[in-house]
Amino acid sequence: KAGVTQTPRYLIKTRGQQVTLSCSPISGHRSVSWYQQTPGQGLQFLFEYFSETQRNKGNFPGRFSGRQFSNSRSEMNVSTLELGDSALYLCASSLEGGGEQYFGPGTRLTVT
Amino acid sequence: AQSVTQLDSQVPVFEEAPVELRCNYSSSVSVYLFWYVQYPNQGLQLLLKYLSGSTLVESINGFEAEFNKSQTSFHLRKPSVHISDTAEYFCAVSALQTGTASKLTFGTGTRLQVTL
Repeated sequence: KAGVTQTPRYLIKTRGQQVTLSCSPISGHRSVSWYQQTPGQGLQFLFEYFSETQRNKGNFPGRFSGRQFSNSRSEMNVSTLELGDSALYLCASSLEGGGEQYFGPGTRLTVT
Repeated sequence: AQSVTQLDSQVPVFEEAPVELRCNYSSSVSVYLFWYVQYPNQGLQLLLKYLSGSTLVESINGFEAEFNKSQTSFHLRKPSVHISDTAEYFCAVSALQTGTASKLTFGTGTRLQVTL
């Protein structure tokens, strides 16, 4: 089976802009979670989508949002970008949400 | 809520020597436990998982970890490391509860540096 894919791999944006990141889970996986990785804060949970519904949410401001489509693909959107949003954004998929999660290669977002 | 502590931010070791990466967790409910490895400019790869059953779990590349409920630990060990094991290792937990098991809480990571 193909693994989790994320597009784009690298992105450079300017403060105030918005960005959309995409994630395609492993075939058959219905749960998609998003994480932010930064040197200062480490790996932090953003949110999880299951069957097109947000099921869990981390402690991030409302500028961070997401959605999931009927084919389980997910997108994450960040509006009004700030310098502190520069990070590696990782997507992970799992069958039902519990147990192990499989991660994609990540999208490296740089905000200037 | 869960928390994970990885006390060692860096562990230098010579090739073919044994290594132990420590992980302690805190949780008011039962948990799943994981070790992930991250190579430079890559995502996280699942190395080991403890979901239930035997407290000693092994990976295909020689790593093992033992779940110790009384000490709330899940230390990662390898009897003989290789240069290619150089990477960042993350311990993670998730609550054993329907609807919240998807949220992984990570430790701060341990950088394993293997040298000749």
